[in-house]
Amino acid sequence: AQTVTQSQPEMSVQEAETVTLSCTYDTSESDYYLFWYKQPPSRQMILVIRQEAYKQQNATENRFSVNFQKAAKSFSLKISDSQLGDAAMYFCAYMEYGNKLVFGAGTILRVKS
Amino acid sequence: DSGVTQTPKHLITATGQRVTLRCSPRSGDLSVYWYQQSLDQGLQFLIQYYNGEERAKGNILERFSAQQFPDLHSELNLSSLELGDSALYFCASSATTATNEKLFFGSGTQLSVL
Repeated sequence: AQTVTQSQPEMSVQEAETVTLSCTYDTSESDYYLFWYKQPPSRQMILVIRQEAYKQQNATENRFSVNFQKAAKSFSLKISDSQLGDAAMYFCAYMEYGNKLVFGAGTILRVKS
Repeated sequence: DSGVTQTPKHLITATGQRVTLRCSPRSGDLSVYWYQQSLDQGLQFLIQYYNGEERAKGNILERFSAQQFPDLHSELNLSSLELGDSALYFCASSATTATNEKLFFGSGTQLSVL
């Protein structure tokens, strides 16, 4: 079974600085999708960014970008110009065939003003 | 707003009881997924329905069951509740079951079993 590992239980960043959240996964598939979801205190699950494994180009969404290393099975999230509203739990997720998401344990991101 | 509606938002009940959680998917979405978020197990996939048919099962207990109705809303039934069933239950929907589909999550139902 596929597994997703987030080795950082908690991270802190100063407002306006850049932070990188780590994620590794294990799969024998060659074609799959990876996601980062944000869960703020409201507990809503918000899609931050998506990466298709067959695309070599790293996905970007405004201040959010990923570093996708397929051979290393690594999928990190970089948040630039961090804002107070970025404070949340961030989940890395792998999408199995049929749209089932396998989530990592999450990383709590704290943003200091 | 994701367009996925879950009711109720909060549910408090006692051990041994049975509850029903309801989910209305986004307009036009045929596929519904249920996830459980608990402190000890994290976020786990429970079950998936597509156009009324069960498509996939995850770590769903035998005490739990779900169905998707002709109007595409779904219900998750939890019976013989135990303290460990206390969790946030999410419903998500997507248009189809294609692997490149985005999932849209509801705001969840917080279940507290006392």
